[in-house]
Amino acid sequence: AQSVAQPEDQVNVAEGNPLTVKCTYSVSGNPYLFWYVQYPNRGLQFLLKYITGDNLVKGSYGFEAEFNKSQTSFHLKKPSALVSDSALYFCAVREDYGQNFVFGPGTRLSVLP
Amino acid sequence: EPEVTQTPSHQVTQMGQEVILRCVPISNHLYFYWYRQILGQKVEFLVSFYNNEISEKSEIFDDQFSVERPDGSNFTLKIRSTKLEDSAMYFCASRDRVPGNTIYFGEGSWLTVV
Repeated sequence: AQSVAQPEDQVNVAEGNPLTVKCTYSVSGNPYLFWYVQYPNRGLQFLLKYITGDNLVKGSYGFEAEFNKSQTSFHLKKPSALVSDSALYFCAVREDYGQNFVFGPGTRLSVLP
Repeated sequence: EPEVTQTPSHQVTQMGQEVILRCVPISNHLYFYWYRQILGQKVEFLVSFYNNEISEKSEIFDDQFSVERPDGSNFTLKIRSTKLEDSAMYFCASRDRVPGNTIYFGEGSWLTVV
């Protein structure tokens, strides 16, 4: 069975500084990895995904993530954080032969002005 | 841009009552999902649906829950006899047939059981 861990409940970063939100996963087969963002009282919005190919993937709003197979990680990064990036971030994994997307517990990002 | 739509956005119901949450997935999508989120916490998988049948379900999705695709556009989640602990935000999601494509979420239906 697949699982996702996000070791930090909360990440605080100053505006303009780089940010990292961590994610590690466990799957039996090959992973499809995703990041979503949730603003208050809203649904989850897709940011980016890794399926195959280049380990560094770029997504919406300047976010990127790096797939590391040996460390089973898929950390979300942004070179320069904005106050408007403050939200709840979810990492998700799906096995390549499965249908179910399993979500991590979420990390609340606060970008301080 | 096509989107998943959900109704109602908020429903308050008495314990023991039946509730139906409705979803219209994106039109060319073939896989449908229900997730729930309690108090902005973890997003929990309930059920996935493909080719007019349930493909996977979680332990949460017990006999009180059912899903249906009554026509070519709607996808519904029914809770037969609601409990206080069913209070949550319920999200519908869908995706197309391309392996590796993401699922797209609706804005959610907030269910409050009193």
